[in-house]
Amino acid sequence: GQQLNQSPQSMFIQEGEDVSMNCTSSSIFNTWLWYKQDPGEGPVLLIALYKAGELTSNGRLTAQFGITRKDSFLNISASIPSDVGIYFCAGQYNALNFGKGTSLLVTP
Amino acid sequence: EAQVTQNPRYLITVTGKKLTVTCSQNMNHEYMSWYRQDPGLGLRQIYYSMNVEVTDKGDVPEGYKVSRKEKRNFPLILESPSPNQTSLYFCASSFGVVGGYTFGSGTRLTVV
Repeated sequence: GQQLNQSPQSMFIQEGEDVSMNCTSSSIFNTWLWYKQDPGEGPVLLIALYKAGELTSNGRLTAQFGITRKDSFLNISASIPSDVGIYFCAGQYNALNFGKGTSLLVTP
Repeated sequence: EAQVTQNPRYLITVTGKKLTVTCSQNMNHEYMSWYRQDPGLGLRQIYYSMNVEVTDKGDVPEGYKVSRKEKRNFPLILESPSPNQTSLYFCASSFGVVGGYTFGSGTRLTVV
């Protein structure tokens, strides 16, 4: 599969702070997806992006499909303790390729 | 409720003893896939299936087999498990190759 570089690897923030994470690739993708994985569970789809330049929001989450089609970012505004988990980006041309995840810890 | 169901959730087995992890989806999805998740390596695709009787290798297929005799089921078979197959396994499905996948809750396998 294609290599995706996701950063940061982990984040430790205080409740109320904004969070930003991103994913880059050397290959172009037709679709970018962002997933969240809670402990002991499978990943759950947060946002799907299908067009270069697309900016999509889901509540406090905002994600963008980079113009070059080689990158995407996810922002979380006003973080809360239940935002804790591992966030994965995934780029898709044919197969779905996952980043290695960003582990988010939020302290009250 | 639309879901992907994996069984068992936890399994401890011994080297060489054949095992099957079942996966079933109730969403009439055509595409199904198996991933393994290991610390520091993220999610890696083992096998996928585009439709009934159509399966293909992912990035890490060695030591695994799959079958797709019915649309809803996609079992993962380890004919002779080895300790390096100790991992967290996820089954996923979607309507097509493109788009968001629905994941099962995972199977934590330990091979001793």
